[in-house]
Amino acid sequence: TQLLEQSPQFLSIQEGENLTVYCNSSSVFSSLQWYRQEPGEGPVLLVTVVTGGEVKKLKRLTFQFGDARKDSSLHITAAQPGDTGLYLCAGGTGYALNFGKGTSLLVTP
Amino acid sequence: NAGVTQTPKFRILKIGQSMTLQCTQDMNHNYMYWYRQDPGMGLKLIYYSVGAGITDKGEVPNGYNVSRSTTEDFPLRLELAAPSQTSVYFCASSPVLVSYNEQFFGPGTRLTVL
Repeated sequence: TQLLEQSPQFLSIQEGENLTVYCNSSSVFSSLQWYRQEPGEGPVLLVTVVTGGEVKKLKRLTFQFGDARKDSSLHITAAQPGDTGLYLCAGGTGYALNFGKGTSLLVTP
Repeated sequence: NAGVTQTPKFRILKIGQSMTLQCTQDMNHNYMYWYRQDPGMGLKLIYYSVGAGITDKGEVPNGYNVSRSTTEDFPLRLELAAPSQTSVYFCASSPVLVSYNEQFFGPGTRLTVL
């Protein structure tokens, strides 16, 4: 199993702050996906990145795939309480996705 | 569309009991997956299927069985429940091979084995 390490594990910030979460591996992935999971629900896809160095933006969220396709970051600008949730990265390796353990984000008003 | 539905939502089992977790998708997806999620441990793949009649083991298949008789349904069977199987189980589906495409997840089944 190719391991994905996410950091930080927990993050508590106030509304309006910026933050970055990281997803790192020693392995190369063909693609990397970011999901958000809210309590009591299944994960929902935010973005897929497939090209080394690729940057994608989704409103206030910016996703970057490392040049070597081993790592990724998620940056949130001006966080809002609605951004609260568990953020999971997942690396594609053919038939399966390898998931990181997630970053639990709490944004307070 | 309902997407991916799972039943039951919650279940408590005694050690040694058996049960089937149901999963149905109405998106005509060929690929279906079962994951378990333990606190702080991410999602681990149990079994997956690439189409009706075809299943294969994932990372943590021991203690589980699956079948895929139709495109829509992918039940997960626990034969002799053990405390180590206490977890939240998610079913997911995908229209094509997973690496470049979205997986759609169900709401999960929270299972406790006592």
